[in-house]
Amino acid sequence: QQQVKQSPQSLIVQKGGISIINCAYENTAFDYFPWYQQFPGKGPALLIAIRPDVSEKKEGRFTISFNKSAKQFSLHIMDSQPGDSATYFCAASVDGYGNKLVFGAGTILRVKS
Amino acid sequence: DAGITQSPRHKVTETGTPVTLRCHQTENHRYMYWYRQDPGHGLRLIHYSYGVKDTDKGEVSDGYSVSRSKTEDFLLTLESATSSQTSVYFCAISSSTSGSGYNEQFFGPGTRLTVL
Repeated sequence: QQQVKQSPQSLIVQKGGISIINCAYENTAFDYFPWYQQFPGKGPALLIAIRPDVSEKKEGRFTISFNKSAKQFSLHIMDSQPGDSATYFCAASVDGYGNKLVFGAGTILRVKS
Repeated sequence: DAGITQSPRHKVTETGTPVTLRCHQTENHRYMYWYRQDPGHGLRLIHYSYGVKDTDKGEVSDGYSVSRSKTEDFLLTLESATSSQTSVYFCAISSSTSGSGYNEQFFGPGTRLTVL
């Protein structure tokens, strides 16, 4: 059973649009929530991360929104570009240090030009 | 890939044979991890190491063992490979020196293992 449930499985967005990927969890002990971006044939790359004491974090076109009471967090990609086409994974850590990550199943994003 | 190499990059083996995958880092990071990636499951932690000779189990450790005799090398061994262990294996490294206060993990290029 997936401890972090990610949706949608796949997403098609027009260039310039907003891509939104959602994740939900049950374990309230999770204390660190990173997002990873993976291109075909490559390892995942850390994109952005948030701690549960922060409701939003923005880095360039990428924003994490965190709703602690709903146990949900989401990744927003503003002004989506074809180069953003990749698989995105949300993750959560329960050990207080970011070591034992549990990942969502992933979202395949395609940005149409 | 953050100073991480994995070898081999591709391997095909027979059921029942032992297999060892190697992860090598040049970053002198304390923590190293082994994950497997399968469709529909994302990445799942197999084992991780928090120092030389110090390891801990992850979510899917059955059938796998690890060893770390040097800071730079972390080995993953499948004692007797099964078809269910066909997967892409990723090594990751981290240190506790990131500004977030958490061990931000950086991944290697992966090893594609096929067990026939």
